[in-house]
Amino acid sequence: GAVVSQHPSWVICKSGTSVKIECRSLDFQATTMFWYRQFPKQSLMLMATSNEGSKATYEQGVEKDKFLINHASLTLSTLTVTSAHPEDSSFYICSAIPRTGAGNTIYFGEGSWLTVV
Amino acid sequence: KQEVTQIPAALSVPEGENLVLNCSFTDSAIYNLQWFRQDPGKGLTSLLLIQSSQREQTSGRLNASLDKSSGRSTLYIAASQPGDSATYLCAVRLGQAGTALIFGKGTTLSVSS
Repeated sequence: GAVVSQHPSWVICKSGTSVKIECRSLDFQATTMFWYRQFPKQSLMLMATSNEGSKATYEQGVEKDKFLINHASLTLSTLTVTSAHPEDSSFYICSAIPRTGAGNTIYFGEGSWLTVV
Repeated sequence: KQEVTQIPAALSVPEGENLVLNCSFTDSAIYNLQWFRQDPGKGLTSLLLIQSSQREQTSGRLNASLDKSSGRSTLYIAASQPGDSATYLCAVRLGQAGTALIFGKGTTLSVSS
């Protein structure tokens, strides 16, 4: 089946630094990718929709200058958490919809744990 | 704005019991509904996908139903096993293909042996 890979799986960074998380569709092209954030014991909250070649669409309350999303190719979207703070510590997970097909299927990455110390 | 609610938030049952997890959504104009399983600290495993035109889907011991008009879905797990212990998430896709999934908060299931 289709695979979406996230890297890194976990990362620890110092407060004030930036960290980049990659989301790759390994065997399909994805015009649309989504980024979610999940705090402990909470559900997945949609952060933004990333479309290849255009600016991401952010959900209400998500700071676009803090969470930079780049979808430069049909197989790669990146999320950069800028000037990270401890409250940004969370589980970040991406998903992708194949370019071909009816758009029914959505594939999820394994997620990335971010801890800001 | 679409909201997805799951009841109960947590459930503990002995091995072998049949159980039902509930999901409700506020806007019936969904494209499809999907049930996922999430193990602690892990990503998502898709269990069942129900298109808006369908009433139910089955996979092994799992059966998911959808009543779009009332904004409800149930996930039925037959003959529960300790390996079923996980958090079960319900998610709806809004009115068209290509849109994001909106998730409920999940039901954390614990099956004791």
